[in-house]
Amino acid sequence: EAGVAQSPRYKIIEKRQSVAFWCNPISGHATLYWYQQILGQGPKLLIQFQNNGVVDDSQLPKDRFSAERLKGVDSTLKIQPAKLEDSAVYLCASSQTPGGGGYTFGSGTRLTVV
Amino acid sequence: AQSVTQLDSQVPVFEEAPVELRCNYSSSVSVYLFWYVQYPNQGLQLLLKYLSGSTLVKGINGFEAEFNKSQTSFHLRKPSVHISDTAEYFCAVTSPGNTPLVFGKGTRLSVIA
Repeated sequence: EAGVAQSPRYKIIEKRQSVAFWCNPISGHATLYWYQQILGQGPKLLIQFQNNGVVDDSQLPKDRFSAERLKGVDSTLKIQPAKLEDSAVYLCASSQTPGGGGYTFGSGTRLTVV
Repeated sequence: AQSVTQLDSQVPVFEEAPVELRCNYSSSVSVYLFWYVQYPNQGLQLLLKYLSGSTLVKGINGFEAEFNKSQTSFHLRKPSVHISDTAEYFCAVTSPGNTPLVFGKGTRLSVIA
């Protein structure tokens, strides 16, 4: 089966600019996650979708980050305006059911804010 | 709230030697436990998982882990490592139900020829 697709792979922007990341999960996976991985740290959950509804966005900095999952398939994560501390790898993952099955991760988007 | 502590940030080991990467978790409810591996510039790949049943779990690439409820640990082991095992390893925890994975900070395994 095809994996989780993410684009772009790399992005360099200046602070205060905006940026968007795209994720296409595995077909049929109802649950989609966005994680932020800062260099030297483990991934941290930003937002969890179940179909096209938000389950958990408690750690999403809502003043600058937004995410949507229209039609319960693809998802887009946006940052506006970006700060230097947003430099990280943004990982998208999907799972057939939430919780115990383990997730399938995409290769991530590496964002550098200068 | 759940949390994961990976006790070693870096573990150097010679090729063909055994290795253990340590992981302790904190949770007030029943847990599911995972180990993921991340190679440079790649996403996370599932190595193995514990959901229930036997406490000794075998995964891909010759890795295994043992769930110890009394010590709240889920250490990862391999009897003989290869150069290709050089990567970052992440322990993660979740619970039955609609809860997301919580990751540790990772352990960088460096295999030396």
